[in-house]
Amino acid sequence: AQSVAQPEDQVNVAEGNPLTVKCTYSVSGNPYLFWYVQYPNRGLQFLLKYITGDNLVKGSYGFEAEFNKSQTSFHLKKPSALVSDSALYFCAVTLNNAGNMLTFGGGTRLMVKP
Amino acid sequence: EAQVTQNPRYLITVTGKKLTVTCSQNMNHEYMSWYRQDPGLGLRQIYYSMNVEVTDKGDVPEGYKVSRKEKRNFPLILESPSPNQTSLYFCASSFRTSGRGNEQFFGPGTRLTVL
Repeated sequence: AQSVAQPEDQVNVAEGNPLTVKCTYSVSGNPYLFWYVQYPNRGLQFLLKYITGDNLVKGSYGFEAEFNKSQTSFHLKKPSALVSDSALYFCAVTLNNAGNMLTFGGGTRLMVKP
Repeated sequence: EAQVTQNPRYLITVTGKKLTVTCSQNMNHEYMSWYRQDPGLGLRQIYYSMNVEVTDKGDVPEGYKVSRKEKRNFPLILESPSPNQTSLYFCASSFRTSGRGNEQFFGPGTRLTVL
């Protein structure tokens, strides 16, 4: 069975500072990893994905994530946070190489203060 | 505009009254799925469909039904809703092409309250 853990319910950061949202996963095989963002009263939007290759993945809105196989982690990062980045972030994993049948983490609320 | 639409967006109903939440996508995606979102639990998959007439259970299928008679539509049916089905529901779709890790496109959500 596959699972995802997002250990922080909420992350607070000041605007302009770097941010990290943590994600660890558990699968018995090579994972496909995703980050999605949910703004208030909206559906989830795709941010970035890791399929294979370079461990540092760049995505939308200046976000990036680093795949670390030995630590089974896929932390989301951004060098300089914006107030508009405040949202709910979900990490997801699948073993399905089409990207289907995702298992999501519980979500982390990011609050960026001016 | 490429999108996934859901209707209704908000629904308050009573225990036992059958309801259907519709989902439609215009991107010619083979794969469609229903999730429910509950605080602290993230999104949990209810049912999914790999293509027309092909559906399968996700992690939390009890109390739900689905059908996939057309490629673009994937309705979620609650035959006898109960209060524990009060939740935020999302429909999603994607391509099935292998090896590409196709991202899923989500609808805007349906907030269901069962009294």
